[in-house]
Amino acid sequence: EPEVTQTPSHQVTQMGQEVILRCVPISNHLYFYWYRQILGQKVEFLVSFYNNEISEKSEIFDDQFSVERPDGSNFTLKIRSTKLEDSAMYFCASSDQGTAGYTFGSGTRLTVV
Amino acid sequence: RKEVEQDPGPFNVPEGATVAFNCTYSNSASQSFFWYRQDCRKEPKLLMSVYSSGNEDGRFTAQLNRASQYISLLIRDSKLSDSATYLCVVNGRGSSNTGKLIFGQGTTLQVKP
Repeated sequence: EPEVTQTPSHQVTQMGQEVILRCVPISNHLYFYWYRQILGQKVEFLVSFYNNEISEKSEIFDDQFSVERPDGSNFTLKIRSTKLEDSAMYFCASSDQGTAGYTFGSGTRLTVV
Repeated sequence: RKEVEQDPGPFNVPEGATVAFNCTYSNSASQSFFWYRQDCRKEPKLLMSVYSSGNEDGRFTAQLNRASQYISLLIRDSKLSDSATYLCVVNGRGSSNTGKLIFGQGTTLQVKP
């Protein structure tokens, strides 16, 4: 069964540092997403990406966040200057039909110290 | 009002019991509805889509009431392996093209021997 692959599984970084979270979506999918889940809280939408541009972003997705699909296979989330409150599980997802056919990756646990 | 609201539980039930989860959503324009399952510190996984006519998948039955903006999930003959958090999910406001999903807080189910 096709998978969405995320690396690393766990990242520890110092406050103020930049981090890049990486994702390889399913190859024939057209829609790509990032979500985050702070420990004990709900899964929250960050951004959707379609046709090589952001199609929607949440209030959480401020200027310190950016996404990129640099080479047609990887989909990355960059956090420019991490804060303690960025500590969370970050899930990448892809789909071939918008809300249908969604597949989530296993997540990257980001810990900011 | 929260966009998607669920009773967080936990629901503690014996094996073989029938358990029902409820969910309400605030956006009357929502068009897609789902139940996801999330195991501890893992990614959400689609359990089933929810259709207006109601639908069943083995021991799981989902119902949608658009007039009341209410979604339910019934699990019959609970198994130990059903222990997880069940997430009520709807597509985001005005974003049926972007595929944004709005998650509820989740309802925790613990099935005991």
